[in-house]
Amino acid sequence: QSALTQPRSVSGSPGQSVTISCTGTSSDVGGYNFVSWYQQHPGKAPKLMIYDVSKRPSGVPDRFSASKSGNTASLTISGLQAEDEADYYCCSYAGRYTFVVFGGGTKLTVL
Amino acid sequence: EVQLVESGGGLVQPGGSLRLSCATSGFTFSSYWMTWVRQAPGKGLEWVANIKQDGSEKYYVDSVKGRFTISRDNAKNSLYLRMNSLRAEDTGVYYCARDGSGWYPRYGFDPWGQGTLVTVSS
Repeated sequence: QSALTQPRSVSGSPGQSVTISCTGTSSDVGGYNFVSWYQQHPGKAPKLMIYDVSKRPSGVPDRFSASKSGNTASLTISGLQAEDEADYYCCSYAGRYTFVVFGGGTKLTVL
Repeated sequence: EVQLVESGGGLVQPGGSLRLSCATSGFTFSSYWMTWVRQAPGKGLEWVANIKQDGSEKYYVDSVKGRFTISRDNAKNSLYLRMNSLRAEDTGVYYCARDGSGWYPRYGFDPWGQGTLVTVSS
């Protein structure tokens, strides 16, 4: 069982928006602003999409946005495109003893 | 272009050892924290270990403490993971990834290598 809880799957049609939640505790998501999100296509390495809760690395489309409220972080993908179909993982710093925890991953299906 | 290329994976018997390498290029390796993350077949991501720029600080997930050792050679722009007393549950793809360049890690891993598969089985 993963430290952070994500829905196993979400889906949406092209052009729609979807939101993926990531629920942790005050010891990880709620306690630090070191939440990141990764996109992973089948057989490929993960790719950083969001860091520091809501910052986008250069090259990541602004269709990807994220936020945090309390112990829950959220990734929103607007204007869904076929290439957005992938697994998405959230990640958080969890203090000096646990260090880093990931969510179990969410499979996004573009209908 | 920033590149990370892992090597050293393979099939090993339970109790055996492996040394993974991650060769990097395209950035000032000695300026960055570096990380290993693994993924069991069909499963999610699990952070394994990280190391500070000068190697003075190293941190591990509890399940590998005492068995795995992360290290780096800044002269060779390379990161390593020595894995001893391997168990079946260590099976998976091992990725190296770059972290931040500050005094503390940023826990935003970018980019990642393509991964190397470790299979622990008799």
